[in-house]
Amino acid sequence: DAGVIQSPRHEVTEMGQEVTLRCKPISGHNSLFWYRQTMMRGLELLIYFNNNVPIDDSGMPEDRFSAKMPNASFSTLKIQPSEPRDSAVYFCASRRGQHGNTIYFGEGSWLTVV
Amino acid sequence: AQKVTQAQTEISVVEKEDVTLDCVYETRDTTYYLFWYKQPPSGELVFLIRRNSFDEQNEISGRYSWNFQKSTSSFNFTITASQVVDSAVYFCALSEAGGNMLTFGGGTRLMVKP
Repeated sequence: DAGVIQSPRHEVTEMGQEVTLRCKPISGHNSLFWYRQTMMRGLELLIYFNNNVPIDDSGMPEDRFSAKMPNASFSTLKIQPSEPRDSAVYFCASRRGQHGNTIYFGEGSWLTVV
Repeated sequence: AQKVTQAQTEISVVEKEDVTLDCVYETRDTTYYLFWYKQPPSGELVFLIRRNSFDEQNEISGRYSWNFQKSTSSFNFTITASQVVDSAVYFCALSEAGGNMLTFGGGTRLMVKP
């Protein structure tokens, strides 16, 4: 079975540019999460979707960040404009069913903003 | 509020030694779920185990074993006869039944030297 698929795996961009990260969750999973990992803050939840609807976006750092899930098999996380402090690993994850079930992570998108 | 503490930031052992990674959690819920994930040098987050709060049985999977003790709010992870391939960062995580997010500890970096 295919796991969570993220693209791009690595991205280097200049400050001010728009960055779009993409995610395909595991088929049949109805919850999708975007996490960010940095040395300073560890793993932190940015946003959570259930059945394609954003449920909790309290972790989104600021208006420069936006996320969409137009259908059950695709989500994007967009940063516009990007800043050097956005450099991090961004993980997409998905889960079937209710809270408490296992959340499976993609391989991450390594973003560097110079 | 839920919290996970992994007091050991870094552990170094020699191959074939046994090693225990500590995890202490805080939650007000009586129903919750505990997880361990492995993050090898390649960066992905790999699910290892899920345990619910009503199941205190210890679990063994090959060289891996987990000790869940509600009395001390701990969910420790032991690797027996460690191998170089076990070198990774290991994360303990908690999900409350009433919530949707997975809260991670800060991680323990395990280095297994040949």
